[in-house]
Amino acid sequence: EVQLVESGGGLVQPGGSLRLSCAASGFTVSNNDVSWVRQAPGKGLEWVSIIYSGGGTDYADSVKGRFTVSRDNSKNTVFLQMNSLRAEETAVYYCVRSVDYWGQGTLVTVSS
Amino acid sequence: QAVLTQPSSLSASPGASASLTCTLRSGINVGTFNIYWFQQKPGSPPQYLLRYNSDSNNQQGSGVPSRFSGSTDASANAGILLISGLQSDDEADYYCMIWRNSAWVFGGGTKLTVL
Repeated sequence: EVQLVESGGGLVQPGGSLRLSCAASGFTVSNNDVSWVRQAPGKGLEWVSIIYSGGGTDYADSVKGRFTVSRDNSKNTVFLQMNSLRAEETAVYYCVRSVDYWGQGTLVTVSS
Repeated sequence: QAVLTQPSSLSASPGASASLTCTLRSGINVGTFNIYWFQQKPGSPPQYLLRYNSDSNNQQGSGVPSRFSGSTDASANAGILLISGLQSDDEADYYCMIWRNSAWVFGGGTKLTVL
């Protein structure tokens, strides 16, 4: 059974950093594209980043230069390093395998 | 102008059909994209419903009932999610998405009310 479990969310001050993890089971992250999508409270979905099966990455313009996606194949886990966080980036962050499997999400709150 | 535009809300009666539209910005041709559709209920992550490009190029999500189907309206430059035989459990937010310029782009979502 395919599962994705996000962790690492929490409260961080504006300008701070946070590292999210997405632990995968039931499939191999190195053989699949895995994306991060966020959803601010009461708002719609916003794509953040993707790491391709081949290892390449892409980012939304809004996070380019501040966020970094990576993976640890030995742990079958994908990470999202988020630096210089802004208040408007308060959201639930989901990891997604391809388009079809979504984790339950982890809440990131950026506030002083 | 947003890349993908969805009506913010739609109401329909149980047993009826609902047609949810996803209009692409002028200059972006619906025929050149796969349109993905997702359903999200309160407090839950989105669920993948289907992908539609044409009648010969489409995919139903695993376990998704055939009551959910996709199409396009070339004259309106729009993707369409058709839900037939509406049930109260279909009440949810629905999002469309395309892959464009190495990025996912989501529509703003439509809140479907079944009453």
